[in-house]
Amino acid sequence: DQQVKQNSPSLSVQEGRISILNCDYTNSMFDYFLWYKKYPAEGPTFLISISSIKDKNEDGRFTVFLNKSAKHLSLHIVPSQPGDSAVYFCAARDTGANSKLTFGKGITLSVRP
Amino acid sequence: ETGVTQTPRHLVMGMTNKKSLKCEQHLGHNAMYWYKQSAKKPLELMFVYNFKEQTENNSVPSRFSPECPNSSHLFLHLHTLQPEDSALYLCASSSSRDNSYEQYFGPGTRLTVT
Repeated sequence: DQQVKQNSPSLSVQEGRISILNCDYTNSMFDYFLWYKKYPAEGPTFLISISSIKDKNEDGRFTVFLNKSAKHLSLHIVPSQPGDSAVYFCAARDTGANSKLTFGKGITLSVRP
Repeated sequence: ETGVTQTPRHLVMGMTNKKSLKCEQHLGHNAMYWYKQSAKKPLELMFVYNFKEQTENNSVPSRFSPECPNSSHLFLHLHTLQPEDSALYLCASSSSRDNSYEQYFGPGTRLTVT
C-alpha cells in the first residue's frame, strides 16, 4: 500500500503561469516532507522541504503548503519556466524510521514556452 | 569530484554474470542508501547503511548484495539477476548530524539484464 501518493502522473503548464503539484499521504507519523526534482539521466535533486509543525515554506519561486488534517501537501511554482520541466517526487519521513524516506511515483511537469 | 558519484552509468549484463555498482560520496555524510527506480513506480528503498552498518534491508532478494567498506563508499554486488531487475539504481547519502533529512542522490546506474 502506497503511503505517499502522487495521483496525477503529469501536468502541463504555460510558461509564466503557476504550477501546482499535489501529494497525499496516509501515514500520520510522517513529520517531514520533501520535494525532489529529477531531470532525465540525472539523480533526483532536493528542492524544498517542510516540517510538520509548519504549514508553509517558501524559497524563491517555490512554495510548499502542508495541510496536516487533510494529509495533503502541494508544491507551487510561480512563475513557471521551461527549465522547470522535470519529474517531481514528493517524499516523507517517518519519525520512527530514522533517516528513511518514502517516495511517491512522481509527477512529470512540462512547461510550455 | 563533488557530491555523489556512481559508476558505471550504464550496464548491460546477462543473467549469469556477476557485476558490481559503485557509489562514492564526497559530502562527509554518514548514511548511504541504495534505491531502485522502475518505470512508473516510486523509488524503492533497498538498503540503508549508517556509519558503515546496515540498518535496513527492505526484503531485497539475495542476488543483490551490498557492501559498505567505509562511510564514503557503497557497493552493490549483482549476480544471477533476472530481466525484471532492469531499472535505474540510485545511490544517495545523508547526514544524521543535522535535522534536515535531505538525501543527496547520485546520477544512477541504468541496468539492463538480458
